[in-house]
Amino acid sequence: GENVEQHPSTLSVQEGDSAVIKCTYSDSASNYFPWYKQELGKRPQLIIDIRSNVGEKKDQRIAVTLNKTAKHFSLHITETQPEDSAVYFCAASKGTSYGKLTFGQGTILTVHP
Amino acid sequence: NAGVMQNPRHLVRRRGQEARLRCSPMKGHSHVYWYRQLPEEGLKFMVYLQKENIIDESGMPKERFSAEFPKEGPSILRIQQVVRGDSAAYFCASSNPGDYNEQFFGPGTRLTVL
Repeated sequence: GENVEQHPSTLSVQEGDSAVIKCTYSDSASNYFPWYKQELGKRPQLIIDIRSNVGEKKDQRIAVTLNKTAKHFSLHITETQPEDSAVYFCAASKGTSYGKLTFGQGTILTVHP
Repeated sequence: NAGVMQNPRHLVRRRGQEARLRCSPMKGHSHVYWYRQLPEEGLKFMVYLQKENIIDESGMPKERFSAEFPKEGPSILRIQQVVRGDSAAYFCASSNPGDYNEQFFGPGTRLTVL
């Protein structure tokens, strides 16, 4: 089955710096890659996603890139703010409209004011 | 437009009791997924259901766990004879087949087994 590896497990940055989280996946049939943000005790919230037919997607300070050949994708957060502090999970799934998500292990991002 | 709803939010059970977790998907969503999150770990897929059908239960333990999504009413995840290792947060997510598998999560049920 699919296996998703996520690095780093913890990331500490100063406010205003950029943060990058990387994930690799094993199943070349995976075609949908969402990112979730989870604050302590809260639900995972979908923040951005990318489909296998595009290489990059951006939404304000957040961007995601996908390299299908290398089977890896990354989350980029620019101009980080303390409220960006949370656990971030990458995930992968296959199937055009449904299918289970396989999650990475998570990255604890801490943004210091 | 209500999001995914789960209840109860917190559930305490003693070893050997049964736990029933309920999930109501977002309006218009017909696909329901259950995930388990152990303390300080990631989310692990358990089961995927559509109305009256289990589509994929590959992540669910073969014994003591069952799930359903009836024609009317919420999806239910049932854990019989709970053990301490079942203590975790159980999240439900729903999606709409037309939205490329965007899954939206409920607030979770935090199960504690004493």
